[in-house]
Amino acid sequence: GQSLEQPSEVTAVEGAIVQINCTYQTSGFYGLSWYQQHDGGAPTFLSYNGLDGLEETGRFSSFLSRSDSYGYLLLQELQMKDSASYFCAVRDGANTGFQKLVFGTGTRLLVSP
Amino acid sequence: DTAVSQTPKYLVTQMGNDKSIKCEQNLGHDTMYWYKQDSKKFLKIMFSYNNKELIINETVPNRFSPKSPDKAHLNLHINSLELGDSAVYFCASSLRTGGSVTEQFFGPGTRLTVL
Repeated sequence: GQSLEQPSEVTAVEGAIVQINCTYQTSGFYGLSWYQQHDGGAPTFLSYNGLDGLEETGRFSSFLSRSDSYGYLLLQELQMKDSASYFCAVRDGANTGFQKLVFGTGTRLLVSP
Repeated sequence: DTAVSQTPKYLVTQMGNDKSIKCEQNLGHDTMYWYKQDSKKFLKIMFSYNNKELIINETVPNRFSPKSPDKAHLNLHINSLELGDSAVYFCASSLRTGGSVTEQFFGPGTRLTVL
C-alpha cells in the first residue's frame, strides 16, 4: 500500500527555523513534492526533489533521502504568513505507468509573533 | 488571468440530488485531475485525464462521472448525492512530458455540502 506520515502540527515563532518531516512507503517512487495550503485556499506547489539531496528556493528548502524513504521541508526566517498546512506528496506511477500524486496527512504550521 | 477555475465555489444540496462541478484551465496543460479533500484535510486523487483520455480512476463510486470535452475542461457529475460526499473538491492541471508529471496547479475548490 501507500502511506505518507507527517507530524500533525508544528508551532514556531516569527524569525525561527522549522523542519517538517515526511516518511513514505509507496510501491513506485518518482520524487517527493511539497505543497502549501492556507485555510480556505488551494494547495500551491513549493518544491520538488527527484534525486537525493537538498533543493533550495528562497526561504524554503527541501531534502530527500530515497534510501531512508524520508524527506523534509525546511522553512527559514518564519513569517506570520507561513501559517498554513504543508503536505508532502509522492509521485507514484507503479500501477498504471501514469504518475499521480499521493498526498501525506498534512502538517499544520502555526507561527506566532 | 485565472489559471485554473472552478464553478461553483459553494454547493449546498439535498441527499439524492444530482449535481455537477465545472473546471477550466488556461495554462495549456494536457493533464487534469479531480481531488477530494475531506474534513480532516486528507487530499486524495479521484480521476485524471490526459488529452481527454481517462488515465487514472481511483476506487471511486460510479455515482461520480468525470467528463472532459477538451483538454482545457474537466467536469465532474455526481449522481444520488450522499452525506459522505460532503467535502471540498479540487480540480488541478499539469503538463505530462515524457511520462513525468510536473507541478500541479490547483483550482480554488468547490465546497460541497450534502444535507
